[in-house]
Amino acid sequence: QVQLVESGGGLVKPGGSLRLSCAASGFIFSDYYMNWIRQAPGKGLEWVSYISTTGSYTNYADSVKGRFTISRDNSKNSLYLQMNSLRAEDTAVYYCARDFDSNNSFDYWGQGTLVTVSS
Amino acid sequence: QSALTQPTSVSGSPGQSITISCTGTSSDVGGYNYVSWYQQHPGKAPKLMIYGVSNRPSGVSNRFSGSKSGNTASLTISGLQAEDEADYYCSSYTSSSRFSVFGGGTKLTVL
Repeated sequence: QVQLVESGGGLVKPGGSLRLSCAASGFIFSDYYMNWIRQAPGKGLEWVSYISTTGSYTNYADSVKGRFTISRDNSKNSLYLQMNSLRAEDTAVYYCARDFDSNNSFDYWGQGTLVTVSS
Repeated sequence: QSALTQPTSVSGSPGQSITISCTGTSSDVGGYNYVSWYQQHPGKAPKLMIYGVSNRPSGVSNRFSGSKSGNTASLTISGLQAEDEADYYCSSYTSSSRFSVFGGGTKLTVL
């Protein structure tokens, strides 16, 4: 069965860095676009970033552009999000999600990992 | 990247039908048939309910249906059940970010 398991969240000070990971299993990871989507406490969903199957194409929400970097290692079935220059407004649960048709259809989500940015 | 517009809340009684709207622009909802809908129960990850405007993934009840007219997409839930009480989010491909934008979410209450 398809599984996505995020890790790497935690408490970090403003200006700090954190690297999230998402371990995928149960499907051919290299066949799918992957995404990071976040949800601030009590708020709605916000798309953060996507990466193409080979990693050749990436894109970011304006709110994180220049600070976050998405990457993947198809040999390890893993997705990553390097987050630098973190701000209080980056506090959220971060989900990795599979886009099954490469057209904004997120069919499997992880359980999420909480990132808290606070001094 | 402006969020799509959804009503904050909707409600209905068991057995009734409700519709949740999702309004965007010609750069997102109106310009592409890449609208999806997600159900989220408290403390849980979102679940895909509709993709490509009106397609249901395997395993999703046929009580859930999607449609689009102009810049507004809609999710209709018929035969409301208690377990349908959840938050619902729409999402669309958008040419402005060249990927995805979500609506603000709608809380569905089953009375």
